[in-house]
Amino acid sequence: KAGVTQTPRYLIKTRGQQVTLSCSPISGHRSVSWYQQTPGQGLQFLFEYFSETQRNKGNFPGRFSGRQFSNSRSEMNVSTLELGDSALYLCASSPSQGETQYFGPGTRLLVL
Amino acid sequence: QKEVEQNSGPLSVPEGAIASLNCTYSDRGSQSFFWYRQYSGKSPELIMSIYSNGDKEDGRFTAQLNKASQYVSLLIRDSQPSDSATYLCAVIPAGGSYIPTFGRGTSLIVHP
Repeated sequence: KAGVTQTPRYLIKTRGQQVTLSCSPISGHRSVSWYQQTPGQGLQFLFEYFSETQRNKGNFPGRFSGRQFSNSRSEMNVSTLELGDSALYLCASSPSQGETQYFGPGTRLLVL
Repeated sequence: QKEVEQNSGPLSVPEGAIASLNCTYSDRGSQSFFWYRQYSGKSPELIMSIYSNGDKEDGRFTAQLNKASQYVSLLIRDSQPSDSATYLCAVIPAGGSYIPTFGRGTSLIVHP
């Protein structure tokens, strides 16, 4: 089976812009979670989608949003980018909630 | 707040030695435990999962779980320089959210 894929792999944006990141889970996986990883904070949970519904949300401002489509593909959006949003954004998929998560390669976002 | 604690390291071991990585967690009701390996600049890669007390072996890796003492460890036998990475412990706490809490990771350096 193909693994989790994320696009784009790298992004450079400026403050105030918005960005959309995409994640395609492993075939048959219905749960998609998003994480932000920075050197200072480690892996921080953003949100989880299952069956097109947001099931859990981490402690991030409303500028961070996401959605999941009927084919389980997911997107996350960050509006009004800030310098502190520079991070590696990771998507992880699992067959269902609470099962082993498999990570994609990540999208590295740099905000200037 | 449910916490997962790991010594940040670095843990330095000679090639061929056994590397022992430890993780403690605060939620006594936790049921699912995972070890991930993350190379610098890459995404986390699942090494193994463990759900029951005792040892679970997979090749050179052995996970050990002790729910009474609330710790999980990872042993790497015959350590190789290619094992040099950060090792993340993840725990799914009780309570039904199904979202794993990640430790900050332990940096392992295997020197020739």
